[in-house]
Amino acid sequence: GNSVTQMEGPVTLSEEAFLTINCTYTATGYPSLFWYVQYPGEGLQLLLKATKADDKGSNKGFEATYRKETTSFHLEKGSVQVSDSAVYFCALVNSGGSNYKLTFGKGTLLTVNP
Amino acid sequence: NAGVTQTPKFQVLKTGQSMTLQCAQDMNHNSMYWYRQDPGMGLRLIYYSASEGTTDKGEVPNGYNVSRLNKREFSLRLESAAPSQTSVYFCASREEVFSVTYEQYFGPGTRLTVT
Repeated sequence: GNSVTQMEGPVTLSEEAFLTINCTYTATGYPSLFWYVQYPGEGLQLLLKATKADDKGSNKGFEATYRKETTSFHLEKGSVQVSDSAVYFCALVNSGGSNYKLTFGKGTLLTVNP
Repeated sequence: NAGVTQTPKFQVLKTGQSMTLQCAQDMNHNSMYWYRQDPGMGLRLIYYSASEGTTDKGEVPNGYNVSRLNKREFSLRLESAAPSQTSVYFCASREEVFSVTYEQYFGPGTRLTVT
């Protein structure tokens, strides 16, 4: 079956530091990959996505590249801000079948200090 | 567009009580989902509905029932609440089946405590 493994947190950084959150996956076929972000007290929002190998998703300074050879989709940002403090979830969906169920990693809590 | 809305935002139940969590979306999506979020577990799928009139079990369906009332609304019912059902519940809906992005849109969540 499908599974997503992301680095355990919490991750604590100072403002302007470089961020990497690792994500690897197991899936059959050609899944689409996502990063969702959850700010305190809110629901999940899509941060970025990639639908095929070597695609790079990017949004709000965050980037992730779909690496099929290493089954990875690591999230990076060059300079984090206090407002980036949130929980980040890596997820995949396999297009086989008709239900398009998302499989999530366990989430990584990021805290950015001023 | 309100997107995905959920009611209530918070609820406290006693063991054995029942309740229904409501979810509605105004994006004309066919597919809708119910997840629960527990610390250190990520989000786990409880039930989903690929279209009006159909529902299917997800990873953790035990103790729950769902109703897809119409295209907009998808409710989750706890018939006899247990402390193990203390969680944050999220409803989501997905873009049309012909979309290649498979993006799901999430509601703000319902925080449920069962004592």
